[in-house]
Amino acid sequence: AQSVTQPDIHITVSEGASLELRCNYSYGATPYLFWYVQSPGQGLQLLLKYFSGDTLVQGIKGFEAEFKRSQSSFNLRKPSVHWSDAAEYFCAVGGGGNKLTFGTGTQLKVEL
Amino acid sequence: EPEVTQTPSHQVTQMGQEVILRCVPISNHLYFYWYRQILGQKVEFLVSFYNNEISEKSEIFDDQFSVERPDGSNFTLKIRSTKLEDSAMYFCASRRISNQPQHFGDGTRLSIL
Repeated sequence: AQSVTQPDIHITVSEGASLELRCNYSYGATPYLFWYVQSPGQGLQLLLKYFSGDTLVQGIKGFEAEFKRSQSSFNLRKPSVHWSDAAEYFCAVGGGGNKLTFGTGTQLKVEL
Repeated sequence: EPEVTQTPSHQVTQMGQEVILRCVPISNHLYFYWYRQILGQKVEFLVSFYNNEISEKSEIFDDQFSVERPDGSNFTLKIRSTKLEDSAMYFCASRRISNQPQHFGDGTRLSIL
C-alpha cells in the first residue's frame, strides 16, 4: 500500500530564512511525487512534481524538491521564505494510473 | 490558465438529505477524481473516473456515493443520504493523461446538520 509521512505538523521560520519540509513515502514501484500548497479556504495548488529524470525538480514560487530513492524521501526546499508562503503544504505520491495518497500536511508559519 | 471549478463553495444540508456536488473539470482532461478532507485531517481519495466509468474507489466510497458525468463538461458527486460524518471539504480534480499531474478545484465545504 502506498503511504506518505510528513513528520512535521507545524514549522515556523523567519522571513528570509531557508526552509525544508520533510516527506517520506512508501510505494511499491517507481513513484510519481508531488507537493501541493493550500492557503486557507483555497484548493490545492501544485508546486512541483517528480516523474522521472533529474532528481532535483524546480517548481513555482522558487520552491524545489529533491527525490532520494535510497531514503524514500522527497523534501521540499526554498532558500528564502516570504511572508506569503505561509500555508499548509502537502506531499503526495501516486503511480502513473490513478489515485494520489497525501501526507497529513505541514502548516508553515512565517514570522516577520 | 484553465481551472477546475466547483459549485457551490459551501453547502449546508440536513442529515438524511441527498446532496449533489458539482465540478467542471478542465476541458481537455480525461481523468476525473473526487477527494475529501475532514477538518484537521489529510486529503483522502474517494473515486476516480475515466471513459465514463469508475476506475478505482476507496472503502469510503460506499453505496451512498455515486458519480456521474451527465454531459461533456460536468462531473458530479452525489451522496444519497447524508450523515454527520460526511461533513468535509470535497475536492474535484482532473488530469489530461496518466502521466500528468492532477489539477484541483477550490473545493466545496459540505456541512451536515
